[in-house]
Amino acid sequence: QLQLQESGPGLVKPSETLSLTCTVSGGSISSNSYYWGWIRQPPGKGLEWIGSIYYRGSTNYNPSLNSRVTVSIDTSKNQFSLRLNSVTAADTAVYYCAHHVQQVDYWGQGTLVTVSS
Amino acid sequence: EIVLTQSPDFQSVTPKEKVTITCRASQSIGSSLHWYQQKPDQSPKLLVKYVSQSSSGVPSRFSGSGSGTDFTLTINSLEAEDAATYYCHQSSSLPYTFGGGSKVEIK
Repeated sequence: QLQLQESGPGLVKPSETLSLTCTVSGGSISSNSYYWGWIRQPPGKGLEWIGSIYYRGSTNYNPSLNSRVTVSIDTSKNQFSLRLNSVTAADTAVYYCAHHVQQVDYWGQGTLVTVSS
Repeated sequence: EIVLTQSPDFQSVTPKEKVTITCRASQSIGSSLHWYQQKPDQSPKLLVKYVSQSSSGVPSRFSGSGSGTDFTLTINSLEAEDAATYYCHQSSSLPYTFGGGSKVEIK
């Protein structure tokens, strides 16, 4: 059974960079035909896809965040990461890492990141 | 970007009743439509993939239908444990998008 666990700071200052890592256990991050992605949910609101990386390294991002977001993968550590630059209060959300083909099969437990000075 | 519009936003339902949630896409998405259940303080859980394929371990009272732009999630004989918010999700084209959610409360 695949398990995903997010880690990273819970508080980020405005204009700084949000950095999160997702550690994958119970399977290899290099498995064929799978994507590893990030999805976020502002408090009390709905879900927003941020971006995904294919196991071979190609990426796709939400155009609403495209200029600020980077998703990378480290197969040696079985981890993938999210960087979101120039954050504002609007980036406050629970951030989920996820495993998907098209549907999202596995979700991390989520980590709340608050943007505040 | 494909917009998914869910209705209703909220419904309060008596146990054993039938629940219907609809999801309308702003353009045709074929069968690339999936449903998730999210309970308070939990991650979403996949219920139905590709319109009507139930995910492993999901009770048979959950079913999906539809095609093109109009889709439905049905819960037959609602149980207390089904209190949650339900989201549709399209993977037909990037960016992937989700519906705004439909909250089901138990009366």
